[in-house]
Amino acid sequence: NAGVTQTPKFRILKIGQSMTLQCAQDMNHNYMYWYRQDPGMGLKLIYYSVGAGITDKGEVPNGYNVSRSTTEDFPLRLELAAPSQTSVYFCASSYDPHQQYFGPGTRLTVT
Amino acid sequence: GESVGLHLPTLSVQEGDNSIINCAYSNSASDYFIWYKQESGKGPQFIIDIRSNMDKRQGQRVTVLLNKTVKHLSLQIAATQPGDSAVYFCAENLNYGGSQGNLIFGKGTKLSVKP
Repeated sequence: NAGVTQTPKFRILKIGQSMTLQCAQDMNHNYMYWYRQDPGMGLKLIYYSVGAGITDKGEVPNGYNVSRSTTEDFPLRLELAAPSQTSVYFCASSYDPHQQYFGPGTRLTVT
Repeated sequence: GESVGLHLPTLSVQEGDNSIINCAYSNSASDYFIWYKQESGKGPQFIIDIRSNMDKRQGQRVTVLLNKTVKHLSLQIAATQPGDSAVYFCAENLNYGGSQGNLIFGKGTKLSVKP
């Protein structure tokens, strides 16, 4: 199993640009999550999904959108990039909400 | 505000010694507490969890203790090895209002193991 994969690994965006961070898992997990991690900080939940077709907001959803059309994929969309969105983004999936498996992360810089 | 916090941001231990990483929480409604390990440049990795109705749980070289009276959680690592060097996060699961798996992470403690 590849586990949780994320693309791209790194990205630099200009203010106002849009992009989609891709996340896929091959473990047939129902739960999937998007977090952001700012330097020296813990992870903050952006959005999560309990199954295909079902998504819900986490702690910091503003400026982001998600969709979950399949069990495997959970893309995160940034519509109008802002410097405050500079961060490392982690996708995770789980069968049990407590034992989440994380991807390697996407390092995003908005300038 | 953030309900999960840590007493010490950094911890340095000698290889072979035991390590204790502490965490305070403030939400009595949390029903699960989890410890994650994050190595440099990688995503967090699940270590161990404990339900709110337990006081202690042991894994391989790790023990988690939960003191609900003072809302304190600790992770003990026995015979600390260089491979244990990482940032350790505690997280709590706020299981209310149907928010399943909504983990709240603390800021993390950086563990450095001296050879």
